[in-house]
Amino acid sequence: NSKVIQTPRYLVKGQGQKAKMRCIPEKGHPVVFWYQQNKNNEFKFLINFQNQEVLQQIDMTEKRFSAECPSNSPCSLEIQSSEAGDSALYLCASSLSGTGVYAEQFFGPGTRLTVL
Amino acid sequence: GDSVTQTEGPVTVSESESLIINCTYSATSIAYPNLFWYVRYPGEGLQLLLKVITAGQKGSSRGFEATYNKETTSFHLQKASVQESDSAVYYCALGSYAQGLTFGLGTRVSVFP
Repeated sequence: NSKVIQTPRYLVKGQGQKAKMRCIPEKGHPVVFWYQQNKNNEFKFLINFQNQEVLQQIDMTEKRFSAECPSNSPCSLEIQSSEAGDSALYLCASSLSGTGVYAEQFFGPGTRLTVL
Repeated sequence: GDSVTQTEGPVTVSESESLIINCTYSATSIAYPNLFWYVRYPGEGLQLLLKVITAGQKGSSRGFEATYNKETTSFHLQKASVQESDSAVYYCALGSYAQGLTFGLGTRVSVFP
């Protein structure tokens, strides 16, 4: 069973408000991923880190989305100015590596964001 | 970009019947993608069901199996005899180190006694 912890489980924000969610990866996993799953079940990769360094992020996250994985603190994903279209399930996953034998990603339960 | 297409649900089967969920992929940015099946049981988080990282090999878990076929770009999931506890949403995915996983839209499976 996955031991990725995500908080809060549910988040409700008004349009224009900041929304921040956190993730504690499995112990010993240096790679962390953030995904967005929308109401149509579509997954969208947002960003990933290896230790504290960003490996890759999509264009969307370079504008209103920001994320970090500081040393000895939970990783976080923040939306600076929430929009209705940001309403989705945000999933954090961690892995020992990004590819190969250790490519398995372990997912947290997600944070369900609702933007009113 | 990369994409995954899988059987559109919902799929309804009776207990002890066989199940197959089709999955085909297009990996334009990855020469040798890793392939996965993830499952989400009711009320639970997404968890890995099985993975295959080498073309031509088969993965298996909990009675499910899937073979990585590079020629047909397929990774179909099969189970010979399903149980009610197999009711879940199944996601096919392909892996890329830089861009995370690319998922299909999921297939909801309901198994009736």
